[in-house]
Amino acid sequence: SQTIHQWPATLVQPVGSPLSLECTVEGTSNPNLYWYRQAAGRGLQLLFYSVGIGQISSEVPQNLSASRPQDRQFILSSKKLLLSDSGFYLCAWTAENYGYTFGSGTRLTVV
Amino acid sequence: AQTVTQSQPEMSVQEAETVTLSCTYDTSENNYYLFWYKQPPSRQMILVIRQEAYKQQNATENRFSVNFQKAAKSFSLKISDSQLGDTAMYFCAFISVRNDMRFGAGTRLTVKP
Repeated sequence: SQTIHQWPATLVQPVGSPLSLECTVEGTSNPNLYWYRQAAGRGLQLLFYSVGIGQISSEVPQNLSASRPQDRQFILSSKKLLLSDSGFYLCAWTAENYGYTFGSGTRLTVV
Repeated sequence: AQTVTQSQPEMSVQEAETVTLSCTYDTSENNYYLFWYKQPPSRQMILVIRQEAYKQQNATENRFSVNFQKAAKSFSLKISDSQLGDTAMYFCAFISVRNDMRFGAGTRLTVKP
């Protein structure tokens, strides 16, 4: 069965520190992968998506970057975090029925 | 560009009653899919129901059903026999074969005992 793992679940980081969030998918190959951000009480904003290894598309310019070093691994990074980077980050992949399956999310607080 | 609009930021319903959440979308595509996701306080996104645009029959999953009006570009979610566990944010979402998924702003539903 297909599963998606996302970690860490919670992260508190100081302003200016680096960030690395990881997402891995099991049970499928060549999935489309996505990073979303959700501010408190708000909707989901698409940050990045990837249709294959090394292929990254960015929706909005920001302090973050993404990489896909392996087929089923998707990483969200930052060199220097800003206060505005705080939020809830969700990784997702596309199932065959076009529905997205989401990871459990990472709650990032930048202090 | 595809947009998804949920005009009800918050709603409440008494336990065991029925509630309908509204969603409209805008697209020039003919082949697409619509979804309702539930996000409880744990913030895990859970797929509630899915509708293919080419199917006229409204999708149903136990107590959850949709009213899909393709011409009006409307996709509402009806929750029957509401339960306390239905309390959550509900997101309407749209995806076509050529685009990634777009979400509405969400409706916060509270089921009152």
